[in-house]
Amino acid sequence: DGGITQSPKYLFRKEGQNVTLSCEQNLNHDAMYWYRQDPGQGLRLIYYSQIVNDFQKGDIAEGYSVSREKKESFPLTVTSAQKNPTAFYLCASSHSGSGTGELFFGEGSRLTVL
Amino acid sequence: AQKITQTQPGMFVQEKEAVTLDCTYDTSDQSYGLFWYKQPSSGEMIFLIYQGSYDEQNATEGRYSLNFQKARKSANLVISASQLGDSAMYFCAMREGDRDDKIIFGKGTRLHILP
Repeated sequence: DGGITQSPKYLFRKEGQNVTLSCEQNLNHDAMYWYRQDPGQGLRLIYYSQIVNDFQKGDIAEGYSVSREKKESFPLTVTSAQKNPTAFYLCASSHSGSGTGELFFGEGSRLTVL
Repeated sequence: AQKITQTQPGMFVQEKEAVTLDCTYDTSDQSYGLFWYKQPSSGEMIFLIYQGSYDEQNATEGRYSLNFQKARKSANLVISASQLGDSAMYFCAMREGDRDDKIIFGKGTRLHILP
C-alpha cells in the first residue's frame, strides 16, 4: 500500500548526541515536510522540500538539518544545537501542482532526550 | 507573526449537537488553500476538508463543512451531529500562493464530545 513510513517510532538519546529520523514515501509526491509537535503549540514547520536536491527552512529550522537526495526520502537530523529536542516529529508529503495538495502524514516519531 | 489563529484551546459538546471550530488566517496572497485535519489520541493526522480561495461554494465532506468567509479571513469547521468518535484535536492549516508548497498550522482545538 502507498504511504509514508517514519522510523523509529520511539527514540531515546542522551544530550549532545545527533539523531536522524527517517521518512520514506512511495506516493510519488514531489513535496515533503517535517513538523514538530509540542503540547499546546500545534504543528510547527521545520523544513520542507519541493523537489529533489532542494529544501527550504520552515519556521523553526535552527538546530535541525535535512537532505533530499531521492524523491522518496527526506531524513531529518536533530543536532546537538537544538536546545529542546524532546518532541513528537511528523513527516508528511503532498502532490504539488494540482488538486488540493493535502498533506499525507506518517505515524510520527517521538524523540526523548535524557 | 502567527498566520493561523485558533482561539478555542478546548471545547465540550454534547453528542449529536453541531459544533463549530473557529479558524482565522492572515495572508496577502490572492491564491491560497485552507485545510482541516483531525488528530485522535493515537496521533495520526487525518485530512478532513479543503477550501481553495477561489472556490465560490463552501466545501462539504459528509458531516464536515467549511464556513468560508473570505472578507473576514475566516475558515470555520462545522461538524454536524457530533459523535463520540469526533473527540480529538483539530487543526486548521493554510498554503499560501500558487508556487510555494509551504503549509502552516494553527495551534489546534481539543474537542470533547460528551455522551
